[in-house]
Amino acid sequence: GNSVTQMEGPVTLSEEAFLTINCTYTATGYPSLFWYVQYPGEGLQLLLKATKADDKGSNKGFEATYRKETTSFHLEKGSVQVSDSAVYFCALSVLDNYGQNFVFGPGTRLSVLP
Amino acid sequence: KAGVTQTPRYLIKTRGQQVTLSCSPISGHRSVSWYQQTPGQGLQFLFEYFSETQRNKGNFPGRFSGRQFSNSRSEMNVSTLELGDSALYLCASSAAGGYNQETQYFGPGTRLLVL
Repeated sequence: GNSVTQMEGPVTLSEEAFLTINCTYTATGYPSLFWYVQYPGEGLQLLLKATKADDKGSNKGFEATYRKETTSFHLEKGSVQVSDSAVYFCALSVLDNYGQNFVFGPGTRLSVLP
Repeated sequence: KAGVTQTPRYLIKTRGQQVTLSCSPISGHRSVSWYQQTPGQGLQFLFEYFSETQRNKGNFPGRFSGRQFSNSRSEMNVSTLELGDSALYLCASSAAGGYNQETQYFGPGTRLLVL
């Protein structure tokens, strides 16, 4: 089946620290990969995505590289800010008989302290 | 383009009542999915509608149902509410053009509290 595994956290960092949130996946077929972010009281927002192997998605200083050989899509940021405090979801999509099927990880809560 | 909108944003109900939530997708999007988000269970898929037909369904009891209209707007209904139905209900839309690269866009959610 299709599944996404990510560190559940919470992850607590000081401002300007380096961030890595690990994400690995299992998929039948060739998935597209996504990172979404959810700020308090809001819905999920797309942060970045990658649709084929070795693609790097990037946005707002965040990056993730689609690694087919390790089935991973780890999220990184060189210097986090207090405003990055949120819950981060790794997700994949595959095409099946019913169309595009999205599968989300459990989310990782990030707290950045000043 | 306007984003995904959900109404109402907040709702308080009592056990045994029923509730209807509404979602308007991004213009041109044909697929609407619903998710339940709780602190304990995380984000759980309820169902997906495409061209007024339920195309995919998660593992929820029959008390949870939905529908989609010809303009792609969608509603979900929960009957005989239980305390455990208290959650943030999220709607998401995608273009559903048959490609795997499409993004699912989320609304702000409806927060339901069952007393």
